[in-house]
Amino acid sequence: EIVMTQSPATLSVSPGERATLSCRASQSISSNLAWYQQKPGQPPRLLIYGASTRATGVPARFSGSGSGTEFTLTISSLQSEDFAVYYCQQYNNWPPLTFGGGTKVEI
Amino acid sequence: EVQLVESGGGLVQPGGSLRLSCAASGFTFSNYDISWVRQAPGKGLEWVSGISGSGGSTYYADSVMGRFTISRDNSLNTLYLQMSSLTAEDTAVYYCAKDRSSWNPLPPHFDSWGQGTLVTVSS
Repeated sequence: EIVMTQSPATLSVSPGERATLSCRASQSISSNLAWYQQKPGQPPRLLIYGASTRATGVPARFSGSGSGTEFTLTISSLQSEDFAVYYCQQYNNWPPLTFGGGTKVEI
Repeated sequence: EVQLVESGGGLVQPGGSLRLSCAASGFTFSNYDISWVRQAPGKGLEWVSGISGSGGSTYYADSVMGRFTISRDNSLNTLYLQMSSLTAEDTAVYYCAKDRSSWNPLPPHFDSWGQGTLVTVSS
């Protein structure tokens, strides 16, 4: 099983600041990584797939990078609607599909 | 517009059974792998089970293997999850989630999710 580890668990930032979230895989997953955003009471929303491709309708302030075992999600200038929990997911091998534990972005 | 609507959740006693459904619309259902992903209260996301578009291939997390069965009826555009021998650790919101691509040879990642159905296992 591929273990996904996200850091930090909580990120405190101010609106307009840059946020950098990390995700590490226990073995190489090439670029087969997705990022999701989840707000309270809502299902996750796909932000990034293929490690760096934005999903339909995702603002350009969200960007993904990395390959192999180290990945980053960057939010260039945080807006109020970006405060949420972010999860990474590997889709290189299954079963099982695996998610990271999440990073909460808070004010 | 893609829609996924889960139903069938509720309160069940330990050791009991429950069947979840996910009604899909807005896309060619049989072309897509679909999964169940759950989220325990206040916790992260856990993939539970997945099924290929034809229904010919099924996949399970170790935590549910032998207790849960995923299936689909492509004539009804509906996904199912039959759950048995439930324990408190199965308490969660259960989401159905659609693979982003109909032709991706890789395992799935999900571009559409339902709103979820809550399963509570308690005496």
